[in-house]
Amino acid sequence: GAVVSQHPSWVICKSGTSVKIECRSLDFQATTMFWYRQFPKQSLMLMATSNEGSKATYEQGVEKDKFLINHASLTLSTLTVTSAHPEDSSFYICSASPWGEGSYNEQFFGPGTRLTVL
Amino acid sequence: DAKTTQPPSMDCAEGRAANLPCNHSTISGNEYVYWYRQIHSQGPQYIIHGLKNNETNEMASLIITEDRKSSTLILPHATLRDTAVYYCIAARAGNMLTFGGGTRLMVKP
Repeated sequence: GAVVSQHPSWVICKSGTSVKIECRSLDFQATTMFWYRQFPKQSLMLMATSNEGSKATYEQGVEKDKFLINHASLTLSTLTVTSAHPEDSSFYICSASPWGEGSYNEQFFGPGTRLTVL
Repeated sequence: DAKTTQPPSMDCAEGRAANLPCNHSTISGNEYVYWYRQIHSQGPQYIIHGLKNNETNEMASLIITEDRKSSTLILPHATLRDTAVYYCIAARAGNMLTFGGGTRLMVKP
């Protein structure tokens, strides 16, 4: 149980285009979903936390207008990288928690999406 | 949440026990110790967590010192598939997980 999927697993796009990444909880309802970014040989950095039906909370330094997060249902969250540039090339990982604030340590991670912007 | 310190890398021979240390000298009484691992180009995988007592599951054992200032993750019979980055995280129940540098474990034949 507790499986989280991401789609696509990898994507290559041209600079200036937008890319949407989906994160789905397959066998549970995710009250909270998290988006992380990981550059090569570095650790995961939290980008934002989103609760179903409300606006995402972004970490300091993460541009909310560039990284649009939508958590419209209890099983789906999307991250859209708008006007992508080569420096946005990274490994994007989502995680999901069946519970809300107060249980953020119970997270199940997706397999990640590798974004390459040319 | 308390900061954790781990060696950046370790090697282990296949079939032998891998003992991964973690220092969390400033851990507070209500902070748990979590271990995750990340195999190359995959999302993190939960391994085990504990508060005070030693814990064991099908993947690993977690040994926490009596003063809780350090812990050791033990993979009893390491295989090549255990090659990964292992993250030790101290966090209060319910709090976000903050990933540090981790230990890159290389299991060698």
